[in-house]
Amino acid sequence: GQQLNQSPQSMFIQEGEDVSMNCTSSSIFNTWLWYKQDPGEGPVLLIALYKAGELTSNGRLTAQFGITRKDSFLNISASIPSDVGIYFCAGQRGAQKLVFGQGTRLTINP
Amino acid sequence: GAGVSQSPSNKVTEKGKDVELRCDPISGHTALYWYRQRLGQGLEFLIYFQGNSAPDKSGLPSDRFSAERTGESVSTLTIQRTQQEDSAVYLCASSLSGGSANTQYFGPGTRLTVL
Repeated sequence: GQQLNQSPQSMFIQEGEDVSMNCTSSSIFNTWLWYKQDPGEGPVLLIALYKAGELTSNGRLTAQFGITRKDSFLNISASIPSDVGIYFCAGQRGAQKLVFGQGTRLTINP
Repeated sequence: GAGVSQSPSNKVTEKGKDVELRCDPISGHTALYWYRQRLGQGLEFLIYFQGNSAPDKSGLPSDRFSAERTGESVSTLTIQRTQQEDSAVYLCASSLSGGSANTQYFGPGTRLTVL
């Protein structure tokens, strides 16, 4: 099935560093979402973006909905150990299924 | 209140057997989604139920896959004659309605292993 192009696939950083990951698509989405998944759990929504150009923050997380509606990025500032996990972007058109990226696995060295 | 629950949490089966996976959505949520997540991959949409409307089955990979939902409650995903390629985590999500402004809440998933 269709998936978004998410990069990087994995990141190994030191605690306290900032993190940036992004997602691109060949087609337009009306909504961009960022989820985090911990082992053995379902994804949990972090940030939802509903408008092209929108920049939204949730604590140390900041995400932007690209102006072309074909891309989005997620930044995490001052990373802490509990940020470890897999981050997924997802696009949505109207009342439809979510289309997911392949995920970015974040590992933090204390 | 309780979140989305799924059962079983793990299922190991032999190739060729049928399996049934269950999802209990959040009470009051009219929309229910099934996704499949292969190892190291993102989630792939399978099927979507919204109220009494005909389900969107566009993501089902073959006619061995089917799903039912009783009203606005429990859903069952059935895989017939399982193949090794069906091994994956099957995730269910529910939302208040099917609109894009309604957050999809995910269950913990059922890990299916086909030997």
